[in-house]
Amino acid sequence: SQQGEEDPQALSIQEGENATMNCSYKTSINNLQWYRQNSGRGLVHLILIRSNEREKHSGRLRVTLDTSKKSSSLLITASRAADTASYFCATALSGGYNKLIFGAGTRLAVHP
Amino acid sequence: GAVVSQHPSWVICKSGTSVKIECRSLDFQATTMFWYRQFPKQSLMLMATSNEGSKATYEQGVEKDKFLINHASLTLSTLTVTSAHPEDSSFYICSARDPRLAGADTQYFGPGTRLTVL
Repeated sequence: SQQGEEDPQALSIQEGENATMNCSYKTSINNLQWYRQNSGRGLVHLILIRSNEREKHSGRLRVTLDTSKKSSSLLITASRAADTASYFCATALSGGYNKLIFGAGTRLAVHP
Repeated sequence: GAVVSQHPSWVICKSGTSVKIECRSLDFQATTMFWYRQFPKQSLMLMATSNEGSKATYEQGVEKDKFLINHASLTLSTLTVTSAHPEDSSFYICSARDPRLAGADTQYFGPGTRLTVL
């Protein structure tokens, strides 16, 4: 069963605006990762945040992790039309082979 | 670096036939590979975890006799959908991981294979 729930399911914004996506999970994790998927394509790894980290930045991306609330957020600043894609959080469970359990995803549309 | 390829990128087959999908790590050795399926507008569902030289571990609800996984080498894993039916039509994605790489927790995903069963 899926571990992560994401909201919103869909987000529509104008270029230049910020986009925030949230992810919640249920069990203890080793790390949480965010991926991007363009329609009908493979996944692109965006950022990984470990369970002992609270915030991480990469370019226009900012990820936070609150293990007490079992939640994470992905912020994309100054969005561009090229950011239009689906974004998934994935939790790597403690133990095992670090298998990933994906959230339902957020479909982001950035309008020029 | 860390490129994963899949072949074929799409396949159409008749109901009842078997289809093999290959997943290759091109520039690293993947001790562990994962297979996912994704239905339209839905998320990825993990099907199985495959370790080189050992039997795959299937997720609950995934039929191991229907989805045969072989991880015969450190760079190749195959998924065979046996006796495919229209409900098996989906987007199948593999990923690979090498714990010895920097960023060992990262999985590198293939571009996916779209299977359509008529």
